[in-house]
Amino acid sequence: EVQLVESGGGLVQPGGSLRLSCAASGFTVSSNYMSWVRQAPGKGLEWVSVIYSGGSTYYADSVKGRFTISRDNSKNTLYLQVNSLRADDTAVYYCARETSNWYFDLWGRGTLVTVSS
Amino acid sequence: DIVLTQSPATLSLSPGERATLSCRASQSVSSYLAWYQQKPGQAPRLLISDSSNRATGIPARFSGSGSGTDFTLTISSLEPEDFAVYYCQQHNNWPLTFGGGTKVEIK
Repeated sequence: EVQLVESGGGLVQPGGSLRLSCAASGFTVSSNYMSWVRQAPGKGLEWVSVIYSGGSTYYADSVKGRFTISRDNSKNTLYLQVNSLRADDTAVYYCARETSNWYFDLWGRGTLVTVSS
Repeated sequence: DIVLTQSPATLSLSPGERATLSCRASQSVSSYLAWYQQKPGQAPRLLISDSSNRATGIPARFSGSGSGTDFTLTISSLEPEDFAVYYCQQHNNWPLTFGGGTKVEIK
């Protein structure tokens, strides 16, 4: 079955860090564009970061310098290292497979990150 | 960044009725607009890409149209499972951006 399963979210204090994981099955992460998209409570969707099949990475201005996207080809898993967390980073973080035409054709169920003291 | 404005924010309709959702872009995105459906506690699901191309497995009652700055998602006859929030997303320019969503609720 083709699916994405995120993990790693939780409650963290401002300034803290987490590593989010997204395990893929049914397809190869390294052969695809893979993105993270987040959704703050009661809000809309915000694209966060992408890693291309060739390895290039890009970030939204709101997270640049604080978040790092990566992948482990041997584990077929996507990661998002989130550092220097702020209250406005509180959101459900989804991983999504991005097509070469820049829309998202497969999403995981998300993992909740709550930044609070 | 391209801003996508969806209207109305909430659409109250009965099963069997036609739903018309709008998405307006702050600048032209050509035909590169996608639509997603999201139900409470679930991930978004791709409905439409490139303004009018239905994704695999999406029923024919969902259709998309438009180009440039004005786009429409139409649900021809609402089924009970269609009551959800719908988001548009432009896939023409970086950064990729989403609209604020339209909630289709049962009247």
